[in-house]
Amino acid sequence: QSVLTQPPSVSGAPGQRVTISCTGSSSNIGARYYVHWYQQLPGTAPKLLIYANSNRPSGVPDRFSGSKSGTSASLAISGLQAEDEADYYCQSFDSSLSGYVFGTGTKVTVL
Amino acid sequence: EVQLVESGGGLVQPGGSLRLSCAASGFTFSNYWMSWVRQAPGKGLEWVANIKQDGSEKNYVDSVKGRFTISRDNAKNSLYLQMNSLRVEDTAVYYCAREDLDSNYYSYFHFWGLGTLVTVSS
Repeated sequence: QSVLTQPPSVSGAPGQRVTISCTGSSSNIGARYYVHWYQQLPGTAPKLLIYANSNRPSGVPDRFSGSKSGTSASLAISGLQAEDEADYYCQSFDSSLSGYVFGTGTKVTVL
Repeated sequence: EVQLVESGGGLVQPGGSLRLSCAASGFTFSNYWMSWVRQAPGKGLEWVANIKQDGSEKNYVDSVKGRFTISRDNAKNSLYLQMNSLRVEDTAVYYCAREDLDSNYYSYFHFWGLGTLVTVSS
């Protein structure tokens, strides 16, 4: 069972803005470990989307943005496009588990 | 271009063993921590194990401690995962991933392979 909780699904129409939350605790996000985000398109390997809370790797559109506050983090997708339909996962480090942890995952559907 | 190519997956009976390999190219393999991450069918991602650049430090998720062993051969640019005493719940796609460090010296998984499927079933 993951220690980082995400909503199972979010949806939006093309062009809209959607946000995905990632809720942790004082042993991970709240302990000031960074949060990273991954996009997994259907049938493919995960891809790094956001690192260190809010940084985009080269090639990731600026429609994707990340933020963190307290024991939670968020991923926002603005100007939603059909190609954004995918599963999204947050990731951090947990000091109680002494290991890396992923969120439960969120499926984004473009209506 | 960074490339990670996993191999060695397959069907194995409960209690059996399997050795996964990951061939790395396009970067200086010996400069990076490396990890294995798995994904059970229809489920989320789970970090399994990682290994330091020189192999001197290894870490595992509790559920595989004592059963799985991560190793690397920097001369061959290769990462390995020896899996013993396999259980049905170990069934998953296993990904090899290169770790990059954030400014707090904890890792994120910058590059991933395509994965190799391990099925544990009788």
